[in-house]
Amino acid sequence: DVKVTQSSRYLVKRTGEKVFLECVQDMDHENMFWYRQDPGLGLRLIYFSYDVKMKEKGDIPEGYSVSREKKERFSLILESASTNQTSMYLCASREGGDNEQFFGPGTRLTVL
Amino acid sequence: GNSVTQMEGPVTLSEEAFLTINCTYTATGYPSLFWYVQYPGEGLQLLLKATKADDKGSNKGFEATYRKETTSFHLEKGSVQVSDSAVYFCALSDIGRGSTLGRLYFGRGTQLTVWP
Repeated sequence: DVKVTQSSRYLVKRTGEKVFLECVQDMDHENMFWYRQDPGLGLRLIYFSYDVKMKEKGDIPEGYSVSREKKERFSLILESASTNQTSMYLCASREGGDNEQFFGPGTRLTVL
Repeated sequence: GNSVTQMEGPVTLSEEAFLTINCTYTATGYPSLFWYVQYPGEGLQLLLKATKADDKGSNKGFEATYRKETTSFHLEKGSVQVSDSAVYFCALSDIGRGSTLGRLYFGRGTQLTVWP
């Protein structure tokens, strides 16, 4: 069974903290994605990666960075968390091209 | 540019009712179209897809037909069940000319609640 796992289901952090969200896939997929999901806004793409050490900005990259040192792992970093980054964060991976994206269960981050 | 517009919810139906969730798109290339579903507390999962005009995607009793002339991909089900209660997302993937990756563009999602 294909699997995308995220390090935490729920996370509470304080304003100004550095936050790491980890995503691991076991399918040897080339492409990985980070989205945030907010009510009424749907899913918005933050960053994506089409290969190890490669990254591309999505629609809302401000305040975020990413790291992909190994094929199976894609990390989202909030350098200095702010309250407007309180959201549900979803990671996804895909083999490549037009294939299905597989999603993790999400991390609900609250920044106080 | 690429974008997806889907009907706003929430949609509330009785069990065995007919479901339609409208989705229209704007794309610069030759998109593939998708419906994803998100059950409570879970991530998204693919429900169905269609890769070219006039294709019909189907799964679990849901259907959607890729209509290029109306730029639409409406989701339908003839008889909904309580277990269909979820959020449904329409999406397009443009891997046509000029695109290097084929990222997904999502609609805002439609919450469906089915009552017994």
